[in-house]
Amino acid sequence: GAGVSQSPSNKVTEKGKDVELRCDPISGHTALYWYRQSLGQGLEFLIYFQGNSAPDKSGLPSDRFSAERTGGSVSTLTIQRTQQEDSAVYLCASTLGGQGASNYGYTFGSGTRLTVV
Amino acid sequence: AQSVTQLGSHVSVSEGALVLLRCNYSSSVPPYLFWYVQYPNQGLQLLLKYTTGATLVKGINGFEAEFKKSETSFHLTKPSAHMSDAAEYFCAGGDPGGRLIFGQGTELSVKP
Repeated sequence: GAGVSQSPSNKVTEKGKDVELRCDPISGHTALYWYRQSLGQGLEFLIYFQGNSAPDKSGLPSDRFSAERTGGSVSTLTIQRTQQEDSAVYLCASTLGGQGASNYGYTFGSGTRLTVV
Repeated sequence: AQSVTQLGSHVSVSEGALVLLRCNYSSSVPPYLFWYVQYPNQGLQLLLKYTTGATLVKGINGFEAEFKKSETSFHLTKPSAHMSDAAEYFCAGGDPGGRLIFGQGTELSVKP
């Protein structure tokens, strides 16, 4: 597509439920990144995909968080047993290659606002 | 450790006044530097990116940034603020692995 698409745009869930957040990157972009934006924490890196593999998942805050990417395209971020501290905006970005931040910068989606009640 | 620091979480200017948003980076951050803007309920939009060898980088919407290696700074400026410039601005550096390291953000308010 023309841009990075994220769905849903807003999600309200009850504490303890699982949620799935979807990111559809720009066609042809091989690198995909997930970030979390929360009040007081700024933008935190979560995980990076190059193709379908995740060479860097160092930012995932706990084992309740996981992500996958299939077909070198769509990625899903899953949060199990959600907690209130998971409330944040989850942003996805894509770029042409692994050194995308260095060479191109990223193109960001509009994010998914997750609220855990 | 690699870090990007934005001085001032909130900046307020009058319409037509100079905008100056400050950003410093740690010397361990490669010179891959960016400014992004985020309007309410939207994602981040690239304003400009540093190009090796340049000292003054021009971006969209009349913004520009000056790279000063001696001061490890990459401050964002705009000569004359518009109401539409009100947003949050993020400075970011690219690490060798391709990740972006973000500053904490500066919220810009523009008064009529």
